[in-house]
Amino acid sequence: KAGVTQTPRYLIKTRGQQVTLSCSPISGHRSVSWYQQTPGQGLQFLFEYFSETQRNKGNFPGRFSGRQFSNSRSEMNVSTLELGDSALYLCASSPDRGQSDTQYFGPGTRLTVL
Amino acid sequence: QKEVEQNSGPLSVPEGAIASLNCTYSDRGSQSFFWYRQYSGKSPELIMFIYSNGDKEDGRFTAQLNKASQYVSLLIRDSQPSDSATYLCAVNMGSGGSNYKLTFGKGTLLTVNP
Repeated sequence: KAGVTQTPRYLIKTRGQQVTLSCSPISGHRSVSWYQQTPGQGLQFLFEYFSETQRNKGNFPGRFSGRQFSNSRSEMNVSTLELGDSALYLCASSPDRGQSDTQYFGPGTRLTVL
Repeated sequence: QKEVEQNSGPLSVPEGAIASLNCTYSDRGSQSFFWYRQYSGKSPELIMFIYSNGDKEDGRFTAQLNKASQYVSLLIRDSQPSDSATYLCAVNMGSGGSNYKLTFGKGTLLTVNP
């Protein structure tokens, strides 16, 4: 079974621009979560989607948004990029089968904001 | 603010020794706990999950959970140089059931010396 895929793997943007990242979950997985990883803050939860609905949200400003499509693929968007948005953005999927669920991470998208 | 705390390390052990990694969490209502391993430049990979108080063993790895003390640990027996990585403790602080909102510790860097 193919793993979680993320595109693009690397991105360079300038301040003020916006960016869209894509995530395809493992086949059959219905829950998709997004995380931001930086050296200073570590891994921080952005949001989780299930059945095209945002089910959980972290403490990030409204510039960070996401959506999920009917095939469970997900995108996240960051508008008005700031230097501090430079990070590794990780997507994780899970089958959503209750307490025994586990999340599996994709390779990440490395975003650099200049 | 719900938090997960880990010793940042680095933790250095000789090959063949037992490595002990510790984690505490603030949300007493948390139900599921995970250990991930992250090699430099890679995404986190799941090692183990635990839901019930006590020990859970999987090969060289043993996870220990004490909900009364809000404490989770990971023991790695017969440590190998290939175990050298950052170990992340994660706690699901979602709103219930399988809803995902993983809160991660900042990780402990483990180095196993040959």
